[in-house]
Amino acid sequence: DTGVSQDPRHKITKRGQNVTFRCDPISEHNRLYWYRQTLGQGPEFLTYFQNEAQLEKSRLLSDRFSAERPKGSFSTLEIQRTEQGDSAMYLCASSRDSFNQPQHFGDGTRLSIL
Amino acid sequence: AQTVTQSQPEMSVQEAETVTLSCTYDTSENNYYLFWYKQPPSRQMILVIRQEAYKQQNATENRFSVNFQKAAKSFSLKISDSQLGDTAMYFCAFTMYNAGNMLTFGGGTRLMVKP
Repeated sequence: DTGVSQDPRHKITKRGQNVTFRCDPISEHNRLYWYRQTLGQGPEFLTYFQNEAQLEKSRLLSDRFSAERPKGSFSTLEIQRTEQGDSAMYLCASSRDSFNQPQHFGDGTRLSIL
Repeated sequence: AQTVTQSQPEMSVQEAETVTLSCTYDTSENNYYLFWYKQPPSRQMILVIRQEAYKQQNATENRFSVNFQKAAKSFSLKISDSQLGDTAMYFCAFTMYNAGNMLTFGGGTRLMVKP
């Protein structure tokens, strides 16, 4: 169990650019979640995958955001045409496929928009 | 929609003393889980303790225990014998018994343990 891995740890980009983050869940964890955390706030749910299927998306996930989990392993979160308001920590979590299994979080990717 | 409220933005406690962090939630569901997560500065979120709503007995994990009052929709965390390593943001979270188990978090309480 190597833990949830996220890359990069930090991303600084100019407004209007596209960015992509990667999450590698704990192996054999079927479920993968993305959350967004702004400074001083609790994380907010964005989307979740059961294996390769994206089963739930928050209304926070505008059409500039897209997430994928090909082959049910790692996941990517892409933000197109970034805006100042996208500045946040993007957290990935994974869990086993059962309602009583806790989510394990990665270190997060901190996005700063110039 | 479910909401989670943590009314204490910041708290401090002397090392070795006991501190209680408050959390209230709002839901019309009867079956759910509640959690306390700890997020140390610049480090990942880790699970501290969890409580199933159908269990009347309060959960305990070493120095951490909860006071779960289902009727009052209250879920407080007690940390006994506070240690410097307990300094962190603490988040209360809620999830329903459904296929997704997405977490709804409170705004967090910043706890400072003083030597």
